Amino acid sequence: EVQLVESGGGLVKPGESLRLSCAASGLSISNAWMTWVRQAPGKGLEFVGRIKSKSDGGTADYAAPVKGSFSISRDDSKNTLYLQMNSLKTEDTAVYYCTTVTSGRFNYWGQGTLVTVSS
Amino acid sequence: QSALTQPRSVSGSPGQSVTISCTGTSSDVGGYSYVSWYQQHPGNTPKLMIYDVSKRPSGVPDRFSGSKSGNTASLTISGLQAEDEADYYCCSYAGSLYVFGTGTKVTVL
Repeated sequence: EVQLVESGGGLVKPGESLRLSCAASGLSISNAWMTWVRQAPGKGLEFVGRIKSKSDGGTADYAAPVKGSFSISRDDSKNTLYLQMNSLKTEDTAVYYCTTVTSGRFNYWGQGTLVTVSS
Repeated sequence: QSALTQPRSVSGSPGQSVTISCTGTSSDVGGYSYVSWYQQHPGNTPKLMIYDVSKRPSGVPDRFSGSKSGNTASLTISGLQAEDEADYYCCSYAGSLYVFGTGTKVTVL
């Protein structure tokens, strides 16, 4: 059974940083393209960014609201995906999900981790 | 990239059909065949219901179907059941990025 387990969420102040992790089991992420998707409380889903597999170049692309402040990385040896979030703003408050993405579909989702940015 | 436009809510009685539209642009919905749909019950993780416009993952009932015309994709739920009451989101590839729809609440009357 495929499982994605996010961790690292919590309460931070505006301007602070946080790193989220997503540990995979039941699949090797080394050949997978992975994404982060977030959902603000009571709001809809928002694409955050995607990282390609290393064999496809390993590059990451980001949605406009987080470009320049968020960074996605991967450690295939640990089967883990990361999201480094810098200069956090109150509008970054959300549940953050990691997912696999295959040919345009988000097939496996984690249970999400809540990030709250508040003074 | 702006969110794809979905109706805020749709409703129907058990056994009826409902259709949710998802309107984008030629840079997303109209430009690619990578439109997917997700069902989310309150407090739960989104679940893939349709991918590549009209394909169903194994385990998804065949009363769920998808289509696309121009810049608008649609999800139809035929034979509506109580457990179909949930939020639904469309999503489209947009050239290295992805964009989700605004979400639609489906209510079973």
